Amino acid sequence: SAVISQKPSRDICQRGTSLTIQCQVDSQVTMMFWYRQQPGQSLTLIATANQGSEATYESGFVIDKFPISRPNLTFSTLTVSNMSPEDSSIYLCSVERGRSTDTQYFGPGTRLTVL
Amino acid sequence: DAKTTQPTSMDCAEGRAANLPCNHSTISGNEYVYWYRQIHSQGPQYIIHGLKNNETNEMASLIITEDRKSSTLILPHATLRDTAVYYCIVRVETSGSRLTFGEGTQLTVNP
Repeated sequence: SAVISQKPSRDICQRGTSLTIQCQVDSQVTMMFWYRQQPGQSLTLIATANQGSEATYESGFVIDKFPISRPNLTFSTLTVSNMSPEDSSIYLCSVERGRSTDTQYFGPGTRLTVL
Repeated sequence: DAKTTQPTSMDCAEGRAANLPCNHSTISGNEYVYWYRQIHSQGPQYIIHGLKNNETNEMASLIITEDRKSSTLILPHATLRDTAVYYCIVRVETSGSRLTFGEGTQLTVNP
């Protein structure tokens, strides 16, 4: 498995502002993913972030709203831009080492409330 | 990815076995069955996965039917700390393939 940390663990933000969420892994991983979990809902994949290439976004998610950085094999950031109350969610990163038999492991999540 | 069907909720008495069913009748030959759980608002926790043989680890056992159209996750001695939403997911075991989460089963372990 992998030890994954996220910062901040929670935040309360004003609409129109942006928040950058950090995801740090204790070892090098090939694949990193960002998910969103809206209140009372299941998890939805936002994008896949690979080091050295642009993130791949799922349908309904765009780079302007959720820019992602992946500067190295242990770190990634997700920015939630120009926030509205509808962005209130738990944001989770997950990682996968890239071996064919690997599984995805999740971070503890960032609980975001937008007022 | 194949769609899975799980009961919305289940109850189990503490100390008893919890058997969580999952239907995945459209599963493909190269798709694995994965189980995760999410304890209230925490990140999902990987439990177990398998292709066609039954699997067991320190957390649970996974029983997959011979036709692979359904499976059961077994927690042999449920505790209050096993109260969580359990997700059954089918996924191609290829690096970077997506995990598609459904609604899962809310398991409540009662004292």
